[in-house]
Amino acid sequence: QVQLVESGGGLVKPGGSLRLSCAASGFTFSDYYMSWIRQAPGKGLEWVSYISSSGTTIYYADSVKGRFTISRDNAKNSLYLQMNSLRADDTAVYYCARDLNWFDPWGQGTLVTVSS
Amino acid sequence: EIVMTQSPATLSVSPGERATLSCRASQSVSSNLAWYQQKPGQAPRLLIYGASTRATGIPARFSGSGSGTEFTLTISSLQSEDFAVYYCQQYNNWPPYTFGQGTKLQIK
Repeated sequence: QVQLVESGGGLVKPGGSLRLSCAASGFTFSDYYMSWIRQAPGKGLEWVSYISSSGTTIYYADSVKGRFTISRDNAKNSLYLQMNSLRADDTAVYYCARDLNWFDPWGQGTLVTVSS
Repeated sequence: EIVMTQSPATLSVSPGERATLSCRASQSVSSNLAWYQQKPGQAPRLLIYGASTRATGIPARFSGSGSGTEFTLTISSLQSEDFAVYYCQQYNNWPPYTFGQGTKLQIK
């Protein structure tokens, strides 16, 4: 079945870096666009970044532009999010999702906590 | 950026009754709207896309309607497993994709 599994979350100090990964299975990963979406504790959903199937087209939310970098390795069926200059307001569960303009499916999420 | 506004913030309904959730866009999004369900501790699950097309495996008691700026998610006869938070999302003008703030559907 179609499955997405995130990893790489954890506790990091303000100004620090973290790299999230998303392992895809059950579908032809290289055929699909992908996105990262996050959810701060007790809050709603915020789209973070998008990458096209080949990786040539990339978009970011203004809140992360210049600090986060999305990438993918189609040979490894994997999506990544490199997060630099992390701030307290980046604390959230980060989900990867297959991007059909709507999102389906979603991974289970990985928690990123930015705190000193 | 298109702002999505959901109402009400919390809706209390008894099992077996009908629930009607609303989503409004700050400008027309045509029919480019999706609905998601999220239960505590879980990832969101796609319910509806194209404003009215049910996703694979979604029960027929879930229906979506609307176009332009006004949308509705209706759950015809609430089951215990339907009590959750529901989000709408537009994909007409992006980036960015934008979500509503959510409606919490709770047991009355």
